[in-house]
Amino acid sequence: AQSVAQPEDQVNVAEGNPLTVKCTYSVSGNPYLFWYVQYPNRGLQFLLKYITGDNLVKGSYGFEAEFNKSQTSFHLKKPSALVSDSALYFCAVSLKAAGNKLTFGGGTRVLVKP
Amino acid sequence: EPEVTQTPSHQVTQMGQEVILRCVPISNHLYFYWYRQILGQKVEFLVSFYNNEISEKSEIFDDQFSVERPDGSNFTLKIRSTKLEDSAMYFCASLRDISYEQYFGPGTRLTVT
Repeated sequence: AQSVAQPEDQVNVAEGNPLTVKCTYSVSGNPYLFWYVQYPNRGLQFLLKYITGDNLVKGSYGFEAEFNKSQTSFHLKKPSALVSDSALYFCAVSLKAAGNKLTFGGGTRVLVKP
Repeated sequence: EPEVTQTPSHQVTQMGQEVILRCVPISNHLYFYWYRQILGQKVEFLVSFYNNEISEKSEIFDDQFSVERPDGSNFTLKIRSTKLEDSAMYFCASLRDISYEQYFGPGTRLTVT
């Protein structure tokens, strides 16, 4: 079985400060890892993914994430947060063998204050 | 940029009624999915569909649920007899290839009264 944990329900950060959203996962096999963002009354928008290769992946809107196999983590980061980054962020994991169904974490609400 | 579309955006139905939620995936995608998100909860996998058949389904996807790709473009989710607990946001997603990311539609909010 695969699972994802996002330990923080909410992260508050001042505009211009670094932003980190934590994610840990549990799978049997090599994971595909994803971050999605959800704005109010909108669908899920893809931010970035780790499939294979370089552990540091860069995605949309200046976000990046680091795959850490030993800690089974895939934390999302942004060096300088914007007020417009305020949204709900979901980490997700899939396995090729499982038909790529996504298992999501509970989500972390990010609030960036001016 | 191509996108996944879903209709309707909001559906209100009475308990026991049948509903059909419609999705148009991205045209060159091969894998199709339905997920749901009950208000305030995490997004949950319902079913995946590939090569005109269900490839995997969750325990939520019982006999009341069915999926179909009737004409090569639409991908539908049918709930035969809705229950109050089916009230949720339903997301359709499509995937070009297993090494890529899933693209999600904007969702259909289903309210069962």
